[in-house]
Amino acid sequence: GENVEQHPSTLSVQEGDSAVIKCTYSDSASNYFPWYKQELGKRPQLIIDIRSNVGEKKDQRIAVTLNKTAKHFSLHITETQPEDSAVYFCAAITDSWGKFQFGAGTQVVVTP
Amino acid sequence: DSGVTQTPKHLITATGQRVTLRCSPRSGDLSVYWYQQSLDQGLQFLIQYYNGEERAKGNILERFSAQQFPDLHSELNLSSLELGDSALYFCASSVATGEGEQFFGPGTRLTVL
Repeated sequence: GENVEQHPSTLSVQEGDSAVIKCTYSDSASNYFPWYKQELGKRPQLIIDIRSNVGEKKDQRIAVTLNKTAKHFSLHITETQPEDSAVYFCAAITDSWGKFQFGAGTQVVVTP
Repeated sequence: DSGVTQTPKHLITATGQRVTLRCSPRSGDLSVYWYQQSLDQGLQFLIQYYNGEERAKGNILERFSAQQFPDLHSELNLSSLELGDSALYFCASSVATGEGEQFFGPGTRLTVL
């Protein structure tokens, strides 16, 4: 089955700096890669996603890049703000599986 | 508010007991997913149902079972509970299966004493 590794497990950045979280996956048939943000005590919420036919996607300060050959994808947050502090989860989905495998999560702390 | 509801919000029970967690998906969503999130842990996918049928299975213990009813609500049954089953259990729903956003419910906090 799919295996998703996420790094780093914790990330501390100064406000205004950039944050990058990387994930690797094992199943070359994976075709959908969402990123979820979970604030303390709250439910996970989708912040951005990318499909296998796209190499990069951007939404304001958030961007995701996908390298299918290397089987890794990354989340980039620019101009970080205190409200970006949360746990971020990546996931890789193979539609034929219908099985969602999430990474272990990255705790991002943005210090003013 | 995601539109996904879960009951109860909190549940405290003893080892060896059985509990049922309930989830109502967003209106129009056919898929329901169950996840377990232990303290400081990630999201462990348990099981998915699509339009009443089991679609995919993850790391779900044999002591756990689930079903999706004709009105599309779902129940997760946990039996012979152990201390290690204490966790936050999330339900999520999506329109279809595979690609697409999953909308998470608020979760049920299970504490096994």
